[in-house]
Order: sequence, then C-alpha cells, then structure tokens
Amino acid sequence: DTGVSQDPRHKITKRGQNVTFRCDPISEHNRLYWYRQTLGQGPEFLTYFQNEAQLEKSRLLSDRFSAERPKGSFSTLEIQRTEQGDSAMYLCASREATGGRNEQFFGPGTRLTVL
Amino acid sequence: AQSVTQLGSHVSVSEGALVLLRCNYSSSVPPYLFWYVQYPNQGLQLLLKYTTGATLVKGINGFEAEFKKSETSFHLTKPSAHMSDAAEYFCAVSDGIWGGSNYKLTFGKGTLLTVNP
Repeated sequence: DTGVSQDPRHKITKRGQNVTFRCDPISEHNRLYWYRQTLGQGPEFLTYFQNEAQLEKSRLLSDRFSAERPKGSFSTLEIQRTEQGDSAMYLCASREATGGRNEQFFGPGTRLTVL
Repeated sequence: AQSVTQLGSHVSVSEGALVLLRCNYSSSVPPYLFWYVQYPNQGLQLLLKYTTGATLVKGINGFEAEFKKSETSFHLTKPSAHMSDAAEYFCAVSDGIWGGSNYKLTFGKGTLLTVNP
C-alpha cells in the first residue's frame, strides 16, 4: 500500500492555458474521487469514478473541466482555458468497493495557481 | 442533500488543555461521519470515523468523537492538547447506504486549531 499519489504537486500557469493533473490511486481501489479546496474552505466534491465509469459530476465541474480514468487505474483532470478562479488545491481520493474500510484515502493534492 | 456545520473557524487552546471541536451534520439517510486533519500544504489524514455500532469512536493521536443522533452532532475531543496537534480539522459526512451509494464526502469549512505553549 503505497498510498494515493498526485502529480504535479504545484502548478503555476497563466490565464487561458490548459493544465492536466494526474492521480494514481491505491491499487485495487475501484472508486476514485476528485475534490477542490479553495483557501479557507473545506474540500468540495467534483467528480467520482467507479472503475473507468464516471458516475457523478458536480455542478462545480464546468464545461472547461474534464476527467478521465482509462482502464480504471490512474485518473486525469484537465482544465481548459484556466481562469483565476480555478486557483485551488485539487485533491484526489480513492476507496475500496462497497464495505471494506469505509474510508477515502487522500493524496497530497495539486496546488494550482493561475496568474 | 447532506451538510456539515463546524462551529468556530478558529479554536485556540493551551498545551495540556482540553480540545473540543464542534460538528453538526444534516442528513436524510443514516450517515457515515469522519474527522480529517490537514497540515499546511498537505492532503487530508483520517483521524477517526463512525459508520455503525459504538457511538463513541477512538482515533489516532488520542482523539475521540461521539455520534449523537438526537443532537445530529459528532464533536471531536482530546483530553490534553499537544503542540503537534496544531492543524486544520475537517468534519465530513457521507451516506451510509450500501448499494447505489457513491460515498462522496461533504465537508465542513474546517476549524483551525492553535496550541499555545
């Protein structure tokens, strides 16, 4: 169990550029979640995968955001045409199938700064 | 819909004093409840969780919390604060229904705990 990893840890970009983040969940965890955390707030749910299927998307996930999880392993979150309001910490979490330890394990996050 | 309210965005205690961080939740289904801790520029680490069974749950680092359904509360306590406890604490809720649930977490806004020497 090597934990959830995220890459990069920090990303600074200019407004209007596209960015992509990667999340590697704990192996054998079939559920994967993305959250966004802005300064002074708790994390907010963005989207959820069960295996390779994206089963729920928050209304926070505008058309500029897209997430994938090919083959049910790692996941990517892409933001197109970034805006300053996208500056936040993006957290990934994974969880076992129904039952198990009933908890989500979080990665260290990717901090995005849009200039 | 579920929601979490954490009373007090900032709590300050002296080293050795009791820590009490308050959390109230709203859920239309039986909840799973969690407390996470976050150190600066890091991800979230689970302190403890309530799913079913005993309503008083013990977690890591000497923390514990009690699920009180009648009060819709899940307050976090620690008898004696340590300097290393200084961090941000988040209470979270997910639904606890098996089958069809995605178990997504709804978080409170967090409470920053400061421990004074």
